[in-house]
Amino acid sequence: DAKTTQPPSMDCAEGRAANLPCNHSTISGNEYVYWYRQIHSQGPQYIIHGLKNNETNEMASLIITEDRKSSTLILPHATLRDTAVYYCIVRPLIYSGGGADGLTFGKGTHLIIQP
Amino acid sequence: ETGVTQTPRHLVMGMTNKKSLKCEQHLGHNAMYWYKQSAKKPLELMFVYSLEERVENNSVPSRFSPECPNSSHLFLHLHTLQPEDSALYLCASSPLRSSYNEQFFGPGTRLTVL
Repeated sequence: DAKTTQPPSMDCAEGRAANLPCNHSTISGNEYVYWYRQIHSQGPQYIIHGLKNNETNEMASLIITEDRKSSTLILPHATLRDTAVYYCIVRPLIYSGGGADGLTFGKGTHLIIQP
Repeated sequence: ETGVTQTPRHLVMGMTNKKSLKCEQHLGHNAMYWYKQSAKKPLELMFVYSLEERVENNSVPSRFSPECPNSSHLFLHLHTLQPEDSALYLCASSPLRSSYNEQFFGPGTRLTVL
């Protein structure tokens, strides 16, 4: 999997938009950008993924730059429950080994939502 | 409720004990995974099962022995562990070759080896 770079921590005020950056300058043409988050002492949770177009779902928006070398996850109205470690992962949507591939996690960004 | 359950949630064991971690998924998936999360380290992939066959083993010591008897259940058998094996062990499942490639994680088992 291509390497990603994320800031180790960020603060955001409750009710404001949280913008989490991720650099993935070595991303390949067939690799998607995935975001997961892990709330303290829980398992990671899938948030969103995209290839080159911006994506939005009920949890967040994903903005991918035109050259695909970086992306930003946006939580539009952050709440205290959004405090978590957010992981940016790049990986292809093709499979080796029988159709299942594990995820390679980095250290992520610890997002702290301040009241 | 994520659809993936893990038992026990907490486990304390001595180095000479044998124990097993259990994972069960109710999502109809055909791929299951074990991950390890040590303190202050990123999550590490341990094992991958596809259609009940092991397809990946990330150089995990033999004191960890996985078992996947069917597509809904995954076990991790533990024996003669070391204190450095203390960690959060996470199970995940996913559909095979899905267009989303989304993995669903359980809550984890917090293991302490004395």
